[in-house]
Amino acid sequence: KQEVTQIPAALSVPEGENLVLNCSFTDSAIYNLQWFRQDPGKGLTSLLLIQSSQREQTSGRLNASLDKSSGRSTLYIAASQPGDSATYLCAATFPMDSSYKLIFGSGTRLLVRP
Amino acid sequence: NAGVMQNPRHLVRRRGQEARLRCSPMKGHSHVYWYRQLPEEGLKFMVYLQKENIIDESGMPKERFSAEFPKEGPSILRIQQVVRGDSAAYFCASSPLPGPPEQYFGPGTRLTVT
Repeated sequence: KQEVTQIPAALSVPEGENLVLNCSFTDSAIYNLQWFRQDPGKGLTSLLLIQSSQREQTSGRLNASLDKSSGRSTLYIAASQPGDSATYLCAATFPMDSSYKLIFGSGTRLLVRP
Repeated sequence: NAGVMQNPRHLVRRRGQEARLRCSPMKGHSHVYWYRQLPEEGLKFMVYLQKENIIDESGMPKERFSAEFPKEGPSILRIQQVVRGDSAAYFCASSPLPGPPEQYFGPGTRLTVT
């Protein structure tokens, strides 16, 4: 069964700190992995998409890496700001699944304290 | 190019009533996914549709739930005889093709069953 897990479930850091969010998946034959941000009561904002042939993607202060052999992805946030406070979700698609549906982790709830 | 549109954004139904949730994909997208997010949980896949076809409904509850994506008009997720446990946020995502492209998410419909 293909599963995606995120640790920790919640994280609180002071403003300015660099931080890493973790995502693990059970099937190394991943097709792609997507990181999303979700604000309370809101929809999903796509942050980064990493294809299986890629090792990392960067956007501004965000950097996402993908290590298929270990079944892990990390989202690195540099110089965190209070506006980064949100829930971060990772989701993967797998080639054995012809519908390419996204399998989501349960999220990491991030609080950046001023 | 307008994004994925969902309406209504908020829907309140009494137990036993029917709920109809609509999703208009991005222009040029013919693939639609529905996901459900129960309170304090991650998103779970429900159904994947192409125009006039249900491709994968492995995540749909066996009873009371149905989905369609007609040749013309939005995709509809229909829940008959709603119960309190159906209270959740329902998200729709669209894609121009299955697989590699990102899935683009709508803002969601928050269903409350009283």
